[in-house]
This record gives sequence, C-alpha cells and structure tokens, in this order.
Amino acid sequence: DAKTTQPTSMDCAEGRAANLPCNHSTISGNEYVYWYRQIHSQGPQYIIHGLKNNETNEMASLIITEDRKSSTLILPHATLRDTAVYYCIVRVAGPFYGGSQGNLIFGKGTKLSVKP
Amino acid sequence: NAGVTQTPKFQVLKTGQSMTLQCAQDMNHEYMSWYRQDPGMGLRLIHYSVGAGITDQGEVPNGYNVSRSTTEDFPLRLLSAAPSQTSVYFCASSRPGLSYEQYFGPGTRLTVT
Repeated sequence: DAKTTQPTSMDCAEGRAANLPCNHSTISGNEYVYWYRQIHSQGPQYIIHGLKNNETNEMASLIITEDRKSSTLILPHATLRDTAVYYCIVRVAGPFYGGSQGNLIFGKGTKLSVKP
Repeated sequence: NAGVTQTPKFQVLKTGQSMTLQCAQDMNHEYMSWYRQDPGMGLRLIHYSVGAGITDQGEVPNGYNVSRSTTEDFPLRLLSAAPSQTSVYFCASSRPGLSYEQYFGPGTRLTVT
C-alpha cells in the first residue's frame, strides 16, 4: 500500500502558484519523498525528490516539514500544461542491487486542474 | 538517446491469446520494471529486474512472465490473455546505483475482448 495521503483533486488558476500537499506520517529516517506527475495518457514523469531539506529545480519546489511527516510540492507559476495527476511517493534511496527497495509504490495521486 | 521505448502502442487480443509487450532502453540502466494502470487508479507494479538475468515479482504478477537476457530489453509476456488484463502498461528504467529517478515509456494500451 502507498504510504502517503493526498487530496483527490485540486484546482489552480493559470499563472498562480499550485501548492500540492502530501501526508507521510509514517516515513522512516532513510526514506526520501519523491514527486512524479502523469499528464493524460502519458508515462509518469519525475519532478523532484528530497530527504529533509527544501529542494528546488527548474520544474518545482519541495517543502518538507521539520518532522518530515508532510510535504508540499509547489509549482510557482502554473500553466495549462501542468494539468496532470501528481503522485507523492516515499522510498529509500539507492543503491539498489536486489530486493524491492527500488520499486515505486503509486497511490491515486492528486488530479490538478489548471484553469484559464 | 531514445530513452524508454515500448511497442506496440495499441493492441487488441481475444481471450486466451498470448502476446509479448516489448520494452527497450538505451541508457544502460540496470533497473527495469513493468506497471499496469487501470482507469482512475495509480500504477501497480507487475514485475521488475535489477539486472540482466535477475527478475522478481511485484504487486500483481499473476498471468504475466518476464525475462531479462540483456540490459537493454525487458519484455512482458501475457500467457493467456483475460479481459481483466485490459489496461495500459508502462515500462520504466532507472540508473544503476543511486536510482533517484525512474524513466517511463509512453505505454501500451491493451484491450482483451
């Protein structure tokens, strides 16, 4: 079972920041928080990941609370092309040379609709 | 790089038929996996491989076989197709070692009648 809880859906106005929350209250000390998104009918796309510090890349920012029990993915200026299902996943980081630790466990994610 | 490629894009099978979904990657990734996605659901792991010659079962392996004879290819075989296997199938791969990011293929949409 997925170890995260996300809202089923959210709306955001185009050009505004989209803030997607994720609860992962049972996260272990060696587990990272990953975010992926899936645009309609396409394969999932990696967005960002983090352990305990806030992270930023060209796509998004990831804010992780100090107790690491929740996080927020921020799309600073949402566009219509950001409409997608966003998945929050917790997983240990590699190296993986056996076993199931490398697997991603997807929940149902949050469907983000960016509206004009 | 072509990344992760999957063929075919679409397939219709009759119940009881067998077929192989192809997956290939040109990034020298050791880790490869197969997922299925049903309407309104997240992805569920079918089988995965941590390197050539090594495979293991995921969450929903029944009715599927895999093999990994090369680093590049990871085919998924449906032994006797059933309507319950109607789904979209995604293949993914990861870099060796610190696999922070999985790369996904475009998917194969399979319908079993």
